[in-house]
Amino acid sequence: AQSVTQLGSHVSVSEGALVLLRCNYSSSVPPYLFWYVQYPNQGLQLLLKYTTGATLVKGINGFEAEFKKSETSFHLTKPSAHMSDAAEYFCAVRDVSGGYNKLIFGAGTRLAVHP
Amino acid sequence: DTEVTQTPKHLVMGMTNKKSLKCEQHMGHRAMYWYKQKAKKPPELMFVYSYEKLSINESVPSRFSPECPNSSLLNLHLHALQPEDSALYLCASSPTPRTGILYNEQFFGPGTRLTVL
Repeated sequence: AQSVTQLGSHVSVSEGALVLLRCNYSSSVPPYLFWYVQYPNQGLQLLLKYTTGATLVKGINGFEAEFKKSETSFHLTKPSAHMSDAAEYFCAVRDVSGGYNKLIFGAGTRLAVHP
Repeated sequence: DTEVTQTPKHLVMGMTNKKSLKCEQHMGHRAMYWYKQKAKKPPELMFVYSYEKLSINESVPSRFSPECPNSSLLNLHLHALQPEDSALYLCASSPTPRTGILYNEQFFGPGTRLTVL
């Protein structure tokens, strides 16, 4: 079975500082991994995804994530935080049990960006 | 059109009411999903439709009744809900429900904020 753990339910950074949101996964098959962002009272927007190939994945809004199989991690980073990055971030792994495409989400990390 | 739309945006209903949530996508996707999201929690999968047929029901109470009239539309009929059913209801779609496809991300709609009084 697949699972996702996001370390840190709240992360606070200063504007212009590095953003690092942590995600560790457990998967019995090669994982497909996703990061989604959710702004208040909105749906989820895909930031980036890892399926196969290059382990450093670039996404929208300057975010990137690196798949590290040895560490079972898929941490999300952004070199310089912007006030508009304040949101809830969810890491997810694709669940293949039952033969259908499902997502297993982590608990989420709320990112606060202060001036 | 790369959008999933949901109506209404907000819904307030009493416990004896019957209401419906609507979801629409025109991306040609053949898998559609309903999720429930409580405040400060991740989305929880409720139903999966595969080629307009209900494929997964994650032990959802019968007061929630999904319907997929065609490949673009997904409804969630609500009846005799409880206050604890108040949540954000998210619809999503993906190109195919199968797991063997390489690029198969889910696209989410903006959600319907449901309040049950």
